[in-house]
Amino acid sequence: DTGVSQDPRHKITKRGQNVTFRCDPISEHNRLYWYRQTLGQGPEFLTYFQNEAQLEKSRLLSDRFSAERPKGSFSTLEIQRTEQGDSAMYLCASSMSPWTVDNEKLFFGSGTQLSVL
Amino acid sequence: AQSVSQHNHHVILSEAASLELGCNYSYGGTVNLFWYVQYPGQHLQLLLKYFSGDPLVKGIKGFEAEFIKSKFSFNLRKPSVQWSDTAEYFCAVKGKAAGNKLTFGGGTRVLVKP
Repeated sequence: DTGVSQDPRHKITKRGQNVTFRCDPISEHNRLYWYRQTLGQGPEFLTYFQNEAQLEKSRLLSDRFSAERPKGSFSTLEIQRTEQGDSAMYLCASSMSPWTVDNEKLFFGSGTQLSVL
Repeated sequence: AQSVSQHNHHVILSEAASLELGCNYSYGGTVNLFWYVQYPGQHLQLLLKYFSGDPLVKGIKGFEAEFIKSKFSFNLRKPSVQWSDTAEYFCAVKGKAAGNKLTFGGGTRVLVKP
């Protein structure tokens, strides 16, 4: 499967612990996005990278959240001092630069389901 | 700020029935509009998109959507559904001046009874 892969699929942690998720985008895609989805809601934008540069970050994202994409390939999303409200599905998506309409398409991974106890 | 509203949270219908899912967006400028679908146990995938030109857009699996600018709407339709259309459907908007952020609606769960 050459799609977007995310690891782990599930993560259970205790409140106050730090967690890190990984996303491997489709190899030729230079854009990478992180979204969060809670039950009954649509995906909510968190942040986005063009290559290794983080170009946009949601104002809803607290400073406990940090994302990196050091070499412009895989990305990590870290949540420090987790809270119960952080429980959600964390989705990663990738795309090519939208030079053409055909490129305007996000390819999503299966997500990491975080449960904070 | 851009936002999307999907009118129905759940829809139940029988095979061969027609489907229409409502979607309204809020954004003052030019928009790109999308419908994504998530089948049970699968990841989100693009169903169709509108950028410009003909406001009636055709997508995969017999789906189509119509952009009505005056109503800020982008409703999804399918004349005759199949059991395999059971899924969650998300409308999304990207404002031209809003960077590269895709904003999703809350989704509509569609259950097609065989």
